[in-house]
Amino acid sequence: KQEVTQIPAALSVPEGENLVLNCSFTDSAIYNLQWFRQDPGKGLTSLLLIQSSQREQTSGRLNASLDKSSGRSTLYIAASQPGDSATYLCAYAGGGGKLIFGQGTELSVKP
Amino acid sequence: NAGVTQTPKFRVLKTGQSMTLLCAQDMNHEYMYWYRQDPGMGLRLIHYSVGEGTTAKGEVPDGYNVSRLKKQNFLLGLESAAPSQTSVYFCASRTEGNSPLHFGNGTRLTVT
Repeated sequence: KQEVTQIPAALSVPEGENLVLNCSFTDSAIYNLQWFRQDPGKGLTSLLLIQSSQREQTSGRLNASLDKSSGRSTLYIAASQPGDSATYLCAYAGGGGKLIFGQGTELSVKP
Repeated sequence: NAGVTQTPKFRVLKTGQSMTLLCAQDMNHEYMYWYRQDPGMGLRLIHYSVGEGTTAKGEVPDGYNVSRLKKQNFLLGLESAAPSQTSVYFCASRTEGNSPLHFGNGTRLTVT
């Protein structure tokens, strides 16, 4: 069974901290891995997509890495801000067009 | 830019009733997906489609049916609603296998 695990489930940090969110997956034959942000009561917004041939992607204060051999991806957020408070989800694309999600990490950044 | 549009936004059903959720995208995307999101369960894939006229089962397909008669629309049907189908339903689409996924804003369904 294909599974995606995100650790931690919840995280609370003071403003300005650098932080790392973790995502692990069991399917070694992935095509890409994508990180999303979800605000309460809203849909999901794509943050970063890493192709299976890539090691990392960066957008502003966000950096995502991918290690296929260990089945892990990390999302690094630099200099966190209260506006970063949201739930962050990872999803990997496997064969046949499927996209499987983790359960998410709920992040709270305190002013 | 409409993107991915889901209708309705909210719905309350009684057990045994049927309904259809509509997802429409105006980005000419090939791939479309239906997910449900429940507290503590993350997003679980119900059904998906890799092109017009095609559908495939996801992780939790039981109790749902789908159709993709037109490329821009992906319909999710509940033939006989059950309280266990109370959830928030999200539709998503993308151009092909290695492109970013775009989401609708969700449909909140309550089955009493």
